[in-house]
Amino acid sequence: AQSVTQLDSQVPVFEEAPVELRCNYSSSVSVYLFWYVQYPNQGLQLLLKYLSGSTLVKGINGFEAEFNKSQTSFHLRKPSVHISDTAEYFCAVSPGGATNKLIFGTGTLLAVQP
Amino acid sequence: SAVISQKPSRDICQRGTSLTIQCQVDSQVTMMFWYRQQPGQSLTLIATANQGSEATYESGFVIDKFPISRPNLTFSTLTVSNMSPEDSSIYLCSVESTGGGSYGYTFGSGTRLTVV
Repeated sequence: AQSVTQLDSQVPVFEEAPVELRCNYSSSVSVYLFWYVQYPNQGLQLLLKYLSGSTLVKGINGFEAEFNKSQTSFHLRKPSVHISDTAEYFCAVSPGGATNKLIFGTGTLLAVQP
Repeated sequence: SAVISQKPSRDICQRGTSLTIQCQVDSQVTMMFWYRQQPGQSLTLIATANQGSEATYESGFVIDKFPISRPNLTFSTLTVSNMSPEDSSIYLCSVESTGGGSYGYTFGSGTRLTVV
């Protein structure tokens, strides 16, 4: 069965510092990969997605992610974070095919400090 | 991408009662998905609902506890039955969006359920 691993439950970082949130998935077939952000007491917002093509994907709010098939990873990065980036970040994978459900990782809380 | 209207946005319910959550989509979609997000946790898929057929439930979820209806291609309901405090969670519906040459998943704003 598909699974998604976000090893870091919480990542503290100072404002204007770079950040990387890690995501690994288990799959032997092609998948679609997503990053969602959930601000406190709000719904899910799509940050970016990888479907095919270029392995470097750019999303909203200055975030980007790189798909690495050999390492089955899809790490999220931002070169300079802001206080407003404080939120929960979820990595998700869709196995595609007939079962197009999204499987979520456990989430990483990005805590940006002044 | 599709726009989802989910209601109620929140509710406080007595244990032993049931709550029905509604999701209305502004376009026709084949599959709708229902998720649960327990406090401080990630999203767990409850079931996948196709129009005209029985919903498909994930391991650990059963139809008697979470009956789902899917009467047409734009609407679905999830009922949380015989509630206990352990059912306090955020429930979200989602659809797969393939319009405009793009692909992705859109989520409703969620229903925050508290069982007392």
